[in-house]
Formats: sequence, structure tokens, C-alpha cells
Amino acid sequence: GAGVSQSPSNKVTEKGKDVELRCDPISGHTALYWYRQSLGQGLEFLIYFQGNSAPDKSGLPSDRFSAERTGGSVSTLTIQRTQQEDSAVYLCASSPFYEQYFGPGTRLTVT
Amino acid sequence: GESVGLHLPTLSVQEGDNSIINCAYSNSASDYFIWYKQESGKGPQFIIDIRSNMDKRQGQRVTVLLNKTVKHLSLQIAATQPGDSAVYFCAECPSGAGSYQLTFGKGTKLSVIP
Repeated sequence: GAGVSQSPSNKVTEKGKDVELRCDPISGHTALYWYRQSLGQGLEFLIYFQGNSAPDKSGLPSDRFSAERTGGSVSTLTIQRTQQEDSAVYLCASSPFYEQYFGPGTRLTVT
Repeated sequence: GESVGLHLPTLSVQEGDNSIINCAYSNSASDYFIWYKQESGKGPQFIIDIRSNMDKRQGQRVTVLLNKTVKHLSLQIAATQPGDSAVYFCAECPSGAGSYQLTFGKGTKLSVIP
């Protein structure tokens, strides 16, 4: 069956530009997570959506970061006025319960 | 604050030998644990999980051990193969947290020497 997909797989942008990253979760999974992973590092939690509840935004590093999930399915992570320190792999995961299923990630490079 | 951590950031193992990857956790309220494997350029992939009412669980070539007394989790890989080379993360889920969010450790890189 189809897993979690993310697009684009790679994104190169200039400093100061806005970017949108997309996540298509596994159908029926009520929870969706965004993480950031810098090179050789662990997973940094960004935001969590669960059903129709208000999202947990406690991991967003600044107000330049925002995310939405439409219709309980597709999610987009938006980074405004990108900075070089935003360069990382952005991972999305969906979950029916405890276990999280990850997408392949979007590698963002800010030049 | 409480966190999940790993004893060894890197581990090199000869092909065919057994590997042991360790993880220390400090949140005594955690009741569910997962090990993930992340190959280069890919997202983390579920390997095996264990609940706090168990101390051992076996999968195919992998075994997870949980020692709640010392808050220690380990992943054992039998007859390690080159395809096992990856970064391994442990993750914990505290009970009563109101959600099923996982807290991930920093990861251990396993390198298999052919």
C-alpha cells in the first residue's frame, strides 16, 4: 500500500524566500507530525496534528514556521523568509496510534 | 528536563557478529518504546516496539530488551549484515501525556565492516 509521501524531495531556495513543503499521509491515519533533521543529527519535533484538535505547535522554532492540515489529510509546512539555518531535511510522519510511519523527507537548502 | 539519550553515538561491527545498541531514558512515565532504523537519504523505518509490561521482545534477527529498573533499552541485531548499516533511534512515549507523541533519542550510527 501507499506510504507517506512528501514533495518536493529536494528544494533549493534563496535566503529570504518563502517555501512550502507538502506531506501526504497514509489514508486513515489521524495523527500527523513534522520533524526537522539537520545533517547527522536526531529528530527535532516541530508540530503535531491529531484529528480535529488544535495542533501542538510547541516545537516550531519561530513564527516564520507554520503548518496546516486540510481535511484531516494533506499537510503543508510553510517557512517564510528562509534563513540559512533552516537548511535541513524536513520529515513528515503519520500515525494511527503509537507507531509513526515516516515519509522520505524534503531536503531544504537555503543559499 | 527528561530526555531520551544514547550511550554510544557510533558503533562498528564485523559482518556476522551481533550488534547491541543502547538507549537510556529518564522519563519513568514512559510505557511504550520503539526502535527505528534510518538509512542514508531515507526516513526512519519502524523496527520493533515494546511495552513497559514486557522486558523482552523478539523480531526477525532483532531483539529489544527493556530494563525499567535502570531505565535502559537495548536493540540487539543478530548476525549483522551490511544492510544493517544505518542510524538507529530509540523513541519513548510517556503514558498519560494526552497524546501519542514520541520523544526520539539522538541516534547511533551502526557501520558494518564486510
